[in-house]
Amino acid sequence: DTEVTQTPKHLVMGMTNKKSLKCEQHMGHRAMYWYKQKAKKPPELMFVYSYEKLSINESVPSRFSPECPNSSLLNLHLHALQPEDSALYLCASSQDLGQRYGYTFGSGTRLTVV
Amino acid sequence: KNEVEQSPQNLTAQEGEFITINCSYSVGISALHWLQQHPGGGIVSLFMLSSGKKKHGRLIATINIQEKHSSLHITASHPRDSAVYICAVGKRGAQKLVFGQGTRLTINP
Repeated sequence: DTEVTQTPKHLVMGMTNKKSLKCEQHMGHRAMYWYKQKAKKPPELMFVYSYEKLSINESVPSRFSPECPNSSLLNLHLHALQPEDSALYLCASSQDLGQRYGYTFGSGTRLTVV
Repeated sequence: KNEVEQSPQNLTAQEGEFITINCSYSVGISALHWLQQHPGGGIVSLFMLSSGKKKHGRLIATINIQEKHSSLHITASHPRDSAVYICAVGKRGAQKLVFGQGTRLTINP
């Protein structure tokens, strides 16, 4: 298995809802990433997990809460989002932290906040 | 000034043409990545380079470390090559990628 699988592919949520995005990989990668991408812009890093521990938080608002319950799974819990949070959320993984390793990206979850 | 600059921003060509997309960077890097993103879709990693040249099918990527420049070439372009191509660099000593703004490529039949 050489894929990063993200679910759901599309999500529409209200500003008072709580939802979660899921990311899964079975390549044995120990680093996992969440990115946010607005239309016609490059991805922006949100969080990095290394060996199931949070390594980088790019000053992301607390309404986004990441969780890494095991080495294959990465969740992003969403609560009280704003319409400006509507974007494509991409998950990625790499064998380890550091720049010697390539990245595998998922196909993303397109989130719309209404 | 962005640390990673791509050119052109937009490129339209006819099927069969040879395509070149350029990437210049201003920081020390450990590796450079070429990524492909189809409209509304996820990102596919095409190449990771730290020196020289790599080829995969009709795609060729080169990097000149001294000049801090990389190119992505597509030979015999096809409409299915239409996508956004993103150059990203791993800055030396950092743990995250720095992305270029992307090149939107359209190949007309």
